[in-house]
Amino acid sequence: GDSVTQMEGPVTLSEEAFLTINCTYTATGYPSLFWYVQYPGEGLQLLLKATKADDKGSNKGFEATYRKETTSFHLEKGSVQVSDSAVYFCALSMRDSNYQLIWGAGTKLIIKP
Amino acid sequence: KAGVTQTPRYLIKTRGQQVTLSCSPISGHRSVSWYQQTPGQGLQFLFEYFSETQRNKGNFPGRFSGRQFSNSRSEMNVSTLELGDSALYLCASSPGTSGRMDTQYFGPGTRLTVL
Repeated sequence: GDSVTQMEGPVTLSEEAFLTINCTYTATGYPSLFWYVQYPGEGLQLLLKATKADDKGSNKGFEATYRKETTSFHLEKGSVQVSDSAVYFCALSMRDSNYQLIWGAGTKLIIKP
Repeated sequence: KAGVTQTPRYLIKTRGQQVTLSCSPISGHRSVSWYQQTPGQGLQFLFEYFSETQRNKGNFPGRFSGRQFSNSRSEMNVSTLELGDSALYLCASSPGTSGRMDTQYFGPGTRLTVL
């Protein structure tokens, strides 16, 4: 079935470091792809999305490009801040699954000052 | 626009009891989805309601049920609670009519603890 694989965490970085969180997917068709972020004690916030190949989603300095050839949607940020510490979830939705979200396991990000 | 609201935020129940959680979607959204989040299983889809009808269902036992009202507000019910039902229950709303362009917006969740 359709699935999402994320790099395991926690990922620990110093402030202003470059961030990459890997996400790859398996799907029989052409999914929409999402990154959500969960801050401690809160629900999920949409960070960015892409609905077709080569789309680039961007928000708050974060970017991710929908790469169909490598079935990937890696999250990047050029300079992280302490406030970016959170858990990041990659997800996909497919027409065949009535667009329910299928989730990766989440990657905990810790930014040290 | 106001975001997705969920009540209550925290609940403590004992095994065997039942519980009802409520979700109010963003105004104008007709689709409400429910997810369970646990440290062991991660995020799992429970069900989706659109215009008062269950449109999609995940792999959960029949003890988990839901409904949606004409104003799009939704409730989920868990009967005969088990320890393993302790989780964060998240509700998400979306327009429900945009297919692959739809985006789900989440509420803060209800933290259920079963003792």
